[in-house]
Amino acid sequence: GIQVEQSPPDLILQEGANSTLRCNFSDSVNNLQWFHQNPWGQLINLFYIPSGTKQNGRLSATTVATERYSLLYISSSQTTDSGVYFCAVLEGQFYFGTGTSLTVIP
Amino acid sequence: DADVTQTPRNRITKTGKRIMLECSQTKGHDRMYWYRQDPGLGLRLIYYSFDVKDINKGEISDGYSVSRQAQAKFSLSLESAIPNQTALYFCATSDSGLRIGEQFFGPGTRLTVL
Repeated sequence: GIQVEQSPPDLILQEGANSTLRCNFSDSVNNLQWFHQNPWGQLINLFYIPSGTKQNGRLSATTVATERYSLLYISSSQTTDSGVYFCAVLEGQFYFGTGTSLTVIP
Repeated sequence: DADVTQTPRNRITKTGKRIMLECSQTKGHDRMYWYRQDPGLGLRLIYYSFDVKDINKGEISDGYSVSRQAQAKFSLSLESAIPNQTALYFCATSDSGLRIGEQFFGPGTRLTVL
């Protein structure tokens, strides 16, 4: 199956800082999703982004499918951004990355 | 109301007991999935179903079984629970249409097997 790698595995930020999370995948896909798992365990859809760039408030995402990567940008981070961020791709079945654990310190 | 619901939300059981986790969805999606997540790890696929008559094993199906009772309902059973099945279980749905790669998750079930 397809390999999905995320970096960095862990990230600690001061509130107000910006960050970039990366998702690399081993084969060409025409779909990609970003999720946020909050400290209570809920998985929240952030972006469905097969290609191009999308923005939603302080978050934005870019997928370059031909180069097999996607980036998630978090600007002006807040403590509520803490949690784990996963990317996932579909090739027959869904394949998830191992996640980036983000801690935002007040 | 939530589009994807799971019951129960929390369950504590003993080794050897039969457990059923249920999932219902109102999104009208044809595809449904069961995942487990162990602490500090990612999601692993247990079973998935592309329609009512289609059931497929995922990465870690041993010790589990599923039933797709209707398009909107997909249940996961642990025939004889064991402690290493203690985990957070998620149900998810997706549609085979235009946004085929977009999944939606339920709130999860925390299962503890003593």
